[in-house]
Amino acid sequence: QSVLTQPPSVSAAPGQKVTISCSGSSSNIGNNFVSWYQQLPGTAPKVLIYENNKRPSGIPERISGSKSGTSATLGITGLQTGDEADYYCGAWDSSLRAVLFGGGTKLTVL
Amino acid sequence: EVQLVESGGGLVQPGGSLRLSCAVSGLTFSRFWMSWVRQAPGKGLEWVANIKEDGSEKYYVDSVKGRFTISRDNAKESVYLQMNSLRVDDTAVYYCAKGAGMVVIDYWGQGALVIVSS
Repeated sequence: QSVLTQPPSVSAAPGQKVTISCSGSSSNIGNNFVSWYQQLPGTAPKVLIYENNKRPSGIPERISGSKSGTSATLGITGLQTGDEADYYCGAWDSSLRAVLFGGGTKLTVL
Repeated sequence: EVQLVESGGGLVQPGGSLRLSCAVSGLTFSRFWMSWVRQAPGKGLEWVANIKEDGSEKYYVDSVKGRFTISRDNAKESVYLQMNSLRVDDTAVYYCAKGAGMVVIDYWGQGALVIVSS
């Protein structure tokens, strides 16, 4: 069981919007930056968001991140079938002195 | 082009040892934190360890402390993971990963499969 809690799965229709939540505590999300990763089937992960809401070059504006208190949210608008993947949040935990990943959320585009 | 190439994976018996290597190219290796992240079959990501640019700081997930050691050779532009006292639940694909800072990972290798089984 992960310290960062994500829903196991979410789904939405093409063109719609979806949000994925990541819940933690004051020792991780509450006082440290959150990042988000996308893992397409059979491939290595790719960073989508870092420092809560910043996008690396090449990541489209339809992908966004936000943080409030001890929770963070990844948003994806204009869903495409190519967005079907597993999504993970990540953060440093100051008490554990370790990097944490959430358990992952499988996105299905219906 | 940034490339991270892992080697050293394979089948090992419980209690055995294995050393993973990761050769990095396409960047100034000595300027970046490096990490190892693993993924058990059908499971999520688990961060294993990371090491500072000059090797002066290292951090580990609790489940591998005392058994795994991360190290780096900046002259050879490589990072290593020495894994001792391996357990069945260490079975996973092990990714070598480059840090954008201490925590965020912006480049990943293709992964090395480690199977611990008798």
